[in-house]
Amino acid sequence: DGGITQSPKYLFRKEGQNVTLSCEQNLNHDAMYWYRQDPGQGLRLIYYSQIVNDFQKGDIAEGYSVSREKKESFPLTVTSAQKNPTAFYLCASSIGRAQETQYFGPGTRLLVL
Amino acid sequence: SQQGEEDPQALSIQEGENATMNCSYKTSINNLQWYRQNSGRGLVHLILIRSNEREKHSGRLRVTLDTSKKSSSLLITASRAADTASYFCATSSGGSNYKLTFGKGTLLTVNP
Repeated sequence: DGGITQSPKYLFRKEGQNVTLSCEQNLNHDAMYWYRQDPGQGLRLIYYSQIVNDFQKGDIAEGYSVSREKKESFPLTVTSAQKNPTAFYLCASSIGRAQETQYFGPGTRLLVL
Repeated sequence: SQQGEEDPQALSIQEGENATMNCSYKTSINNLQWYRQNSGRGLVHLILIRSNEREKHSGRLRVTLDTSKKSSSLLITASRAADTASYFCATSSGGSNYKLTFGKGTLLTVNP
């Protein structure tokens, strides 16, 4: 089965803690994305990566960091600098410039203890 | 910043009726896409329409694009309870075909 997996489904963060959300795809897509969704809102772009070892800030990158060491993987770290991290986080991928359709994972809900 | 704005914010209809959702945007686009999101799940791509296209069909879905009015509509015909979901429009504009800008969505409820 081809697709995008995200783990965990739920994640709890304590004050001052960094947490990492996993995103893996086996679609052989070059581009990957991280979005944040707040209740009743649309998606806001955190970071995106067009190719391995390269990534760009999106609209709300402050307090987040990413890496893209492998084509299949694009983990997102929510750092302690992100003061309001409670949200639903969605990872997506796309083939690349020639095909803009994005394919989404099931999401990770991050809650603060 | 939000490029697309869906209207209405919420829509409730009976099974078998048609549902129409609208999306307006502010700047010129390369393409416009519609996605569906079931509660607490990821988004599913429905249809993509390019700036030089005026209408596209996919099964029970019909999408129109009016670039002069900077607006698009999504029509779902003969709706089913399983169509209950939030529907988002997303635009790609400028030199980037990677970045999509999403609206806040329309919550569609189809009552059996």
